[in-house]
Amino acid sequence: DQQVKQNSPSLSVQEGRISILNCDYTNSMFDYFLWYKKYPAEGPTFLISISSIKDKNEDGRFTVFLNKSAKHLSLHIVPSQPGDSAVYFCAAILSGGSYIPTFGRGTSLIVHP
Amino acid sequence: NAGVMQNPRHLVRRRGQEARLRCSPMKGHSHVYWYRQLPEEGLKFMVYLQKENIIDESGMPKERFSAEFPKEGPSILRIQQVVRGDSAAYFCASSRSVRSSYNEQFFGPGTRLTVL
Repeated sequence: DQQVKQNSPSLSVQEGRISILNCDYTNSMFDYFLWYKKYPAEGPTFLISISSIKDKNEDGRFTVFLNKSAKHLSLHIVPSQPGDSAVYFCAAILSGGSYIPTFGRGTSLIVHP
Repeated sequence: NAGVMQNPRHLVRRRGQEARLRCSPMKGHSHVYWYRQLPEEGLKFMVYLQKENIIDESGMPKERFSAEFPKEGPSILRIQQVVRGDSAAYFCASSRSVRSSYNEQFFGPGTRLTVL
């Protein structure tokens, strides 16, 4: 009964190329989405977010795209750098509810030099 | 300007013992959240507390688990009579307020609990 799904447990990309991490959700009431980045032995850190009233949000090398009809969002990193190697978690929030994010299982990104 | 502090970073317990995990939120933050990450899983919400109050404990197992956030001192997640299935990474996050919290939750480094 996972409401937020990250179906790719891992992704390997060459430095300088684009990394695309995908996330699907089942609850159409979610209206705010976040991406967190996590290095080993550290806690997650907030990366970028998007409200359901938008379909794109960009911050430097990171862009999040939201397709509400498909209940799908993606995180694009371009160009990818070795320091981007980490686990990326997608999370969704029901802002009319408790504001507690529901997390996906994460995608481990490895960027090769 | 210290971030969210958690200790211990690693905790080993034998089955049946008690585990106490501590979390000190960032300065000025009065909202604390506990999450658990089982192997190969995402972070699962457990409990949300404000000073001296439990606001939402919908994600916390009904038995053996309890949490508090006293007026003074850190937030404590307590697991009694631990079992092997409790082995996980436990993360604490804090925020200044709830409605702005969704992009302002700051996470600690986690406590990795191993039950032998």
